[in-house]
Parts: sequence; C-alpha cells; structure tokens
Amino acid sequence: EAGVVQSPRYKIIEKKQPVAFWCNPISGHNTLYWYLQNLGQGPELLIRYENEEAVDDSQLPKDRFSAERLKGVDSTLKIQPAELGDSAVYLCASSLSTGTGRNEQFFGPGTRLTVL
Amino acid sequence: QQQVKQSPQSLIVQKGGISIINCAYENTAFDYFPWYQQFPGKGPALLIAIRPDVSEKKEGRFTISFNKSAKQFSLHIMDSQPGDSATYFCAASKGDDKIIFGKGTRLHILP
Repeated sequence: EAGVVQSPRYKIIEKKQPVAFWCNPISGHNTLYWYLQNLGQGPELLIRYENEEAVDDSQLPKDRFSAERLKGVDSTLKIQPAELGDSAVYLCASSLSTGTGRNEQFFGPGTRLTVL
Repeated sequence: QQQVKQSPQSLIVQKGGISIINCAYENTAFDYFPWYQQFPGKGPALLIAIRPDVSEKKEGRFTISFNKSAKQFSLHIMDSQPGDSATYFCAASKGDDKIIFGKGTRLHILP
C-alpha cells in the first residue's frame, strides 16, 4: 500500500515569491493534516481537514498561508508571499477517522522549503 | 507555552544498552501519549502509544512507563541497536484535539 505522497521533496525560492506544496493521502483516509517542522523541533499542526472541511485551522497564518482539499482527497498548501522565516519542512499526514478519537496518523516524507 | 517538555535533547548509547527518553506534560486533560520515531529525510512514524489508565506498555524492545501523578512518561529502548539511531518525539493529545509534540531527542547508538 502506498504511503502519503508529497511533492516536491525540496523547494528553494527567493523571499516574496509564492510556493505551493501538494499532498496525496493514503487511499481511503478521510482526515488530512498539514504540519510545520522547524529544524530541531517537533511538528506543529497548521490545519486539519475532515474530508473537504477544514475543522482546525487555528494555527494557520491566514495572511500568507492558504490550503485547500479538493474532493476530499488531495490537498495543496500555499504560501504567498514567502518570508525567510518560512524555511522549514512541511509535513502532510493522513488518518482514517473511525469515530474512536484515536486514529494513527501516517506522515509523508515532507517538503523541505528554503527561502533565500 | 510548551505543553510537552522532552529530555535529553540528544543521547548517545552503546549498542546493547538501554536508551531512556523522558517527557513531562502540563495539561491533565491529555488522554493519549504517543511516541514517534523519525529518520532523516522521512516523516515521523508512530512507534508506541499509551493511555493514562495504565502505567506501562511494552512492544518488543520498546516500553513506555507512565506516571500520572507526576505528569511524566518515558520511553525505554532495551538492547539498543544502531538501527534505532533516529530522532524520537513524545507527544500528547486530548480527545480529538491536535497532537502536541515535544522538541525531540536525537538518539545515536554506537556500534
């Protein structure tokens, strides 16, 4: 079974440029997460989707970050414009929500963003 | 406010030894405590998890010890192997709320 797929794996851009990340979750997983992982830190949740609905976007900097999950499957995370401080790894994860509240999250390999 | 505090930041253990990583939490409403393992260039992967109604959970060489009164939990890796060299994150969550991760421990097992 294929895991969570993310692309690109690496991205280098100049500040003030836009950038987009793409995530394809595990087939059948209705919950999708975007995390930010700074160097030497644990992942921090940016946004969580239940199917097409963003149910927790409280940590998403909405002035420059946006996300969408079309048809409840693939998702894109966009930054416009990027700032130097956005350099980090952006992780996507997915899980199968069964209503028990304890659903293992499967992470993709991440996209390493470098803003120059 | 750091809700999950992890120590040490880095750890070096001889092959065959016991690796111990500690975490402390603040929110007594947390009811799920997972540990994640992350290799370079990979995303974190769930290693083992525990609920606060048990004091210990063992899976192979990995054991979580949980002390509810002290609000602490730890990961023990028995017979540590070079392949265990990775970054380990403790985490906590409440109900369906987001998972709060610690800052991680870089573990290196000497061959």
